[in-house]
Amino acid sequence: EVQLVESGGGLVQPGRSLRLSCAASGFTFEDYAMHWVRQVPGKGLEWVSSISWNSGSVDYADSVKGRFTISRDNAKNSLYLQMNNLRPEDTALYYCARARGAYPPNAFDLWGQGTMVTVSS
Amino acid sequence: EIVMTQSPATLSVSPGERVTLSCRASQSVSRNLAWYQQKPGQAPRLLIYGASSRATGIPARFSGLGSGTQFTLTISSLQSEDFAVYYCQQYYAGPSFGQGTKVEIK
Repeated sequence: EVQLVESGGGLVQPGRSLRLSCAASGFTFEDYAMHWVRQVPGKGLEWVSSISWNSGSVDYADSVKGRFTISRDNAKNSLYLQMNNLRPEDTALYYCARARGAYPPNAFDLWGQGTMVTVSS
Repeated sequence: EIVMTQSPATLSVSPGERVTLSCRASQSVSRNLAWYQQKPGQAPRLLIYGASSRATGIPARFSGLGSGTQFTLTISSLQSEDFAVYYCQQYYAGPSFGQGTKVEIK
């Protein structure tokens, strides 16, 4: 089955770190660029970060630049998001999503179910 | 940053009606525009990419038009399973989403 499964979310204090993972299966992971998108419950979608198939091109939303780092391990079919210096406004459901091609930009044709991150003292 | 503005925020419609949702970009995104459907408790689902191409498995009642800064998503005959929130997204530069249009039962 073609799917993306996120993990690593949870409750964390402001200023602390968290690492999200996304496990891909059912398709050739290294053929696709990947993204992280977040959504505050009941609100809209916000793109967070993207990475090309070979990690040669990465990009971040201004709201997370300098604090978050996207990476991937094609041998393990996995995508990661290292989140440092977390703020309450980072509280959201984090989705990983597959791009339609090897490089951004492109539409997102496969989404995981998300992992919830709550930043609170 | 390219700002995407969707209208209306909410649309109340009856099953079988034709529905048109609008999306405007703050600058030209060419045809780098996608539409997504999101139901409660579910991840978004890609409907349209390249402004007018239907994604795999998407019914023909969904169609997209536009280029540059003005785009529309039309559902020709609304089915019960189509009641959801719809988002447009530009991927011309640093992807960004519209705020969404909720299609609810009238």
